[in-house]
Amino acid sequence: QVQLVQSGAEVKKPGASVKVSCKASGYTFTGYYMHWVRQAPGQGLEWMGWINPNSDDTNYAQKFQGRVTMTRDTSISTAYMELSSLRSDDTAVYYCAREAGSGSVVYWGQGALVTVSS
Amino acid sequence: QSALTQPASVSGSPGQSITISCTGTNSDVGSYNLVSWYQQHPGKAPKVMIYEGTKRPSGVSNRFSGSKSGNTASLTISGLQAEDEADYYCSSYSDGSTLVFGGGTKLTVL
Repeated sequence: QVQLVQSGAEVKKPGASVKVSCKASGYTFTGYYMHWVRQAPGQGLEWMGWINPNSDDTNYAQKFQGRVTMTRDTSISTAYMELSSLRSDDTAVYYCAREAGSGSVVYWGQGALVTVSS
Repeated sequence: QSALTQPASVSGSPGQSITISCTGTNSDVGSYNLVSWYQQHPGKAPKVMIYEGTKRPSGVSNRFSGSKSGNTASLTISGLQAEDEADYYCSSYSDGSTLVFGGGTKLTVL
């Protein structure tokens, strides 16, 4: 069965960077786009971008251009999302989520809480 | 991209049917049959209930159904049950190979 297991919670200071990992299993890692979505406390879901694990192509939401980098390591079926220049309003749960193959996100990781605080 | 528009809250009694709307534009909902609906209970990750507009993943009750008319997609839950109480989000594929979410709807089962 498809599983996405994310790294643990992180506490960062303003201005720092954070890198969240997402280890995939149960399917061919390079066969499906991986998206990253975040959710601030008490708020809705916000799309950050996707990476094509096969080609390494990426597409980032305009809001995060210049601050987010999505990468992957196909040898260990793991995707990464790095967000830099962190601010307090970046405090959120960050999810990786796999497509069904059609632009619809179907499988979700358990989420990783990132807290930005001085 | 602008978020899709959902009602902030809906409610219904057990056994009733409710519908949650999700309004977008010709750049997303209106142009692609790629709307998904997610259920999220407090402290949990979202769970897909409907994808590609009308498809239900295995294990999801057939009480959940999706439809679309023009720029508005809808999620209908029939035979409401207490465990359906949750937040519901829609998403749509959008121009530029992007994804856009709705603001979320809180469903209360009275």
